[in-house]
Formats: sequence, C-alpha cells, structure tokens
Amino acid sequence: DSGVTQTPKHLITATGQRVTLRCSPRSGDLSVYWYQQSLDQGLQFLIQYYNGEERAKGNILERFSAQQFPDLHSELNLSSLELGDSALYFCASSVTGENTEAFFGQGTRLTVV
Amino acid sequence: AQTVTQSQPEMSVQEAETVTLSCTYDTSESNYYLFWYKQPPSRQMILVIRQEAYKQQNATENRFSVNFQKAAKSFSLKISDSQLGDTAMYFCAFMKRVSGTYKYIFGTGTRLKVLA
Repeated sequence: DSGVTQTPKHLITATGQRVTLRCSPRSGDLSVYWYQQSLDQGLQFLIQYYNGEERAKGNILERFSAQQFPDLHSELNLSSLELGDSALYFCASSVTGENTEAFFGQGTRLTVV
Repeated sequence: AQTVTQSQPEMSVQEAETVTLSCTYDTSESNYYLFWYKQPPSRQMILVIRQEAYKQQNATENRFSVNFQKAAKSFSLKISDSQLGDTAMYFCAFMKRVSGTYKYIFGTGTRLKVLA
C-alpha cells in the first residue's frame, strides 16, 4: 500500500458526460501529480499541484481541469468525454526532501462508452 | 528539455536467468535522481530501485541492480534469477528539482515477460 488513495477504482460513463476523479496523497506529501495511461501505453503527465497551487502542466486537454484543496486532496475533472479518453488515470504524490520518489495510487480506470 | 528513452518495447527471459533493461536519458542537469518502476498486470506502479546522480556506486535491491553510467547518461536495470512474478511493464524515470518541488519524466516502458 503506497498510502495514496484514488477513488473510484472503476468508472464507466457515456460520451459527452463529465466525471471527477479524486486523489488523497500520502500524509505529509505536498505535491500531487496526475498521469494518464492509455491501453498498453506509457505515462502521460497531465498536471502537478504543490500545496494548493498549480506547478506544472503537461499534455492536459482543455476539457480537463484539476485542483488541489486546502487538505491537499486533489480532483481531476474530465468533461465532454470522448471514447479516446478511456484510460487509466494515476495520481502520485511526493514530498520535497532528499531521495524521494513518487508514490502512486492504484489508479482509476475510466471507460467511456 | 529532459527526455527518457527505453529502446526495448518488449523483452522475454527464461525463469532463473538474468535480463538487462536499458534506459538512456538526456539532461544538462548535474543533480538529479533516476528510478525504475514496475507495473505488473494489476497496473499498480511499484518502485523497484532508485539512484542518486551524485552517487557513483550503483544501487542494488536484492535481485535488482542498476548500471549507472553518468557520462553516457545510461541507467540500465539488471534483474538476476528472474521469477515469474517479475513479469511486468518496467518504466525508467528521471527526476529533478524544479522550484522547490520535483519534476518526473517517464520513459515509454519495456514489457518484460518471464517464461517458465
């Protein structure tokens, strides 16, 4: 158990809909990262938050948005969903320090039908 | 910009044999960290091993070891005595500090299959 919690684990929704994915980082971790992994593909970096503020943006579509709340949990909002948005969405967290790696949640598998 | 390249999309190895997964990266930074993550069929991302760039000694974790060649910007993973449970996708990752936080860049992965 990495200590990073993502909910829900599975989500099936129709095209055009909007969903929210939730991530609770490890206790004490200030940074949250969101990644998208399409079937048998690598990890595409979407966005990073640090202590409530957006720190870095990757290949995130305009239909997607995210935020990090004062209690440090984060939500990734996906709207106007398309079939191609079907993927595994990972959240990872880390704390600024020495020799630290990113700890990953178990992911949310989104299926758009 | 930093990049991470894993040139072997798929590999296979016989159980109990040794296999090496390659990773190269490109950076102008002098201080950074490198990681290997494993993603088994469960899709969970699991840290296998880490290496600090300022350390010359290669990291080792049980059957897993790395060959870190800083000048060549190479970071390969060696798995000894391969086990069926090692079957997974392996990702190489580069990390550096940016404005007080960390930035991670992942390779595209190598799918390893251990054969009985």
